[in-house]
Amino acid sequence: GENVEQHPSTLSVQEGDSAVIKCTYSDSASNYFPWYKQELGKGPQLIIDIRSNVGEKKDQRIAVTLNKTAKHFSLHITETQPEDSAVYFCAAAETSYDKVIFGPGTSLSVIP
Amino acid sequence: DTGVSQDPRHKITKRGQNVTFRCDPISEHNRLYWYRQTLGQGPEFLTYFQNEAQLEKSRLLSDRFSAERPKGSFSTLEIQRTEQGDSAMYLCASSRTDAGNQPQHFGDGTRLSIL
Repeated sequence: GENVEQHPSTLSVQEGDSAVIKCTYSDSASNYFPWYKQELGKGPQLIIDIRSNVGEKKDQRIAVTLNKTAKHFSLHITETQPEDSAVYFCAAAETSYDKVIFGPGTSLSVIP
Repeated sequence: DTGVSQDPRHKITKRGQNVTFRCDPISEHNRLYWYRQTLGQGPEFLTYFQNEAQLEKSRLLSDRFSAERPKGSFSTLEIQRTEQGDSAMYLCASSRTDAGNQPQHFGDGTRLSIL
């Protein structure tokens, strides 16, 4: 079955700097890669997703890249703000409505 | 939309007791999913429904776990004879398959603590 790895497990950045989280997946059948942000006591909230027919997608300060050949995908957050502090999960699935396999998470701290 | 609603938010029970959780998906979402999340880990898939049909179950879903979605709307997850290892956050998500590539939307979960 699918296995998703994620690095780093913790990340601390100064406000205004960029943050990068990297993930790998194992199952070539995966075509959908969502990223979720989880705040304490809340459920995961989708922040951006990318499909295998696209190499890059951007939404304001957030961008994701996908290298399907290498089975790598990454999240880039620019101009970080304290409210970006949370746990971020990368994930993979065959489609957006199939079971989603999550990575172990990255705890991001943005220092004011 | 009003979002995915889960009840209760917290449940504390003694080992060996049965517990039941409820999930109300976003209206018109035909797929409903259950995940389990332990501290410091990502959510793990348990099972999902399309309308009232349970289409897939993870091997994590032991015989003590049962999920239903009787009318294709809300769903319940029951755990019988709870064990210490069942302590976790149980998350519900919903999506729709009939309107393009729609993502899964999660509720805020039910946190289960076994004494």
